[in-house]
Amino acid sequence: SAVISQKPSRDICQRGTSLTIQCQVDSQVTMMFWYRQQPGQSLTLIATANQGSEATYESGFVIDKFPISRPNLTFSTLTVSNMSPEDSSIYLCGGDFNEKLFFGSGTQLSVL
Amino acid sequence: DAKTTQPTSMDCAEGRAANLPCNHSTISGNEYVYWYRQIHSQGPQYIIHGLKNNETNEMASLIITEDRKSSTLILPHATLRDTAVYYCIAGPGGATNKLIFGTGTLLAVQP
Repeated sequence: SAVISQKPSRDICQRGTSLTIQCQVDSQVTMMFWYRQQPGQSLTLIATANQGSEATYESGFVIDKFPISRPNLTFSTLTVSNMSPEDSSIYLCGGDFNEKLFFGSGTQLSVL
Repeated sequence: DAKTTQPTSMDCAEGRAANLPCNHSTISGNEYVYWYRQIHSQGPQYIIHGLKNNETNEMASLIITEDRKSSTLILPHATLRDTAVYYCIAGPGGATNKLIFGTGTLLAVQP
């Protein structure tokens, strides 16, 4: 299995600012993922991040709003840019390890 | 990816087996059945997956019908810590980025 550490675990931010979420895996993984989980709802995939290439974004998500870095096989960041209250959500990172998804514990973001 | 249908919620008595059903009548031949669960305030956790044979691991058993149109996840001796949302997902093997999480079943284990 793989252990994924995600930080911060929660934050309260002002409208118009940006927040960068970090995700560290204890094993090398080819694919890492970023999901959003809005209150009371299921997970929605934002993008897939592979090392050395630009992230692949799902419909409805764009790089300008959610820039992603993937500098090596154990680390990724997601930035939520120019935040609005609609961005209040839980953001989860995940990694593919032995064809199974492993997740961090999530970042609960509240935008005022 | 095939769509799955699960009950919104279920109750189970502590110590008893929890049987969680899932319908996936449009599953294609190369799609696996995956089960994940999400305990409150945590990220989802992988439980088990299978293609057509029944599978068992230290967490649970997965029973897939012969026509593969439905499956059941069995937690043999449910504990209070098994209270969670359980997601049944039908998706291609080796393509975790294609797994689509639905709304799942909220299993409440009662003391």
